[in-house]
Amino acid sequence: LAKTTQPISMDSYEGQEVNITCSHNNIATNDYITWYQQFPSQGPRFIIQGYKTKVTNEVASLFIPADRKSSTLSLPRVSLSDTAVYYCLVGANNYGQNFVFGPGTRLSVLP
Amino acid sequence: DVKVTQSSRYLVKRTGEKVFLECVQDMDHENMFWYRQDPGLGLRLIYFSYDVKMKEKGDIPEGYSVSREKKERFSLILESASTNQTSMYLCASSLGRDRGPRGYEQYFGPGTRLTVT
Repeated sequence: LAKTTQPISMDSYEGQEVNITCSHNNIATNDYITWYQQFPSQGPRFIIQGYKTKVTNEVASLFIPADRKSSTLSLPRVSLSDTAVYYCLVGANNYGQNFVFGPGTRLSVLP
Repeated sequence: DVKVTQSSRYLVKRTGEKVFLECVQDMDHENMFWYRQDPGLGLRLIYFSYDVKMKEKGDIPEGYSVSREKKERFSLILESASTNQTSMYLCASSLGRDRGPRGYEQYFGPGTRLTVT
C-alpha cells in the first residue's frame, strides 16, 4: 500500500490561497491520487482526483509533479467554511478498498 | 445526488450487547464500506463488500461481522459490544470497478457515534 504523509495541521486567513502537500514516495504506476474533505460531525466528501500534471475543478486544483511522489492540493481564496480536515489518499485496485485514510491535515481558516 | 443513510446518529449500548448498524445507499452502487474513525487515527476500514452476499475483511475486522443481503443495504454487527468499540462508525459506497477511476470515489453517510458503557 502506498503510504501518505501530510502535515497534521495548518492555519490560514480568509482570502488566502492554501496549499497542502502530501508525500507518497512508493506510489504505484496505476495508483490515482484522491483528496477528501471532512467537516465536523460529517463523513468525508470527495474533492478532487488526479493521476499526473494538473487537475482543476470548481473547488480546488491538484498539482502532481512528473515523479508523482508528492501532490499538492490548492484551495484558492479560502473562507471560514473551508475549515475542515483534508485527507490525501493514494491507491487503485478492483474495489477501492485500499484507499487508506490517514490522520489528514486539519486546516483552520481564521478571520 | 448520491445519498447514503445510516440508521442512527447516536447510539448508546451496554457491554456484551449485540449491536446492529444499518447503512442504505440509493444509487445502485456495487461497493459498500464500513469504517471506524477515532481521534488521531483517521478512518480505518473494518469490512467492505463488492456485491450482494460478498464481503472482505479490511484492516480491523476483529469483533465485527457484516451482512449484505440486498445491494442497497450493508449492515455492521458487533456480536458482543465492548468499550473499546466506542467510536464513530462511517458507511460509504462507490460505483465499483470497471467504472474508471471515478468508480472508486466513495460517498459517505453522516456517521453513527456509538458509545459502549
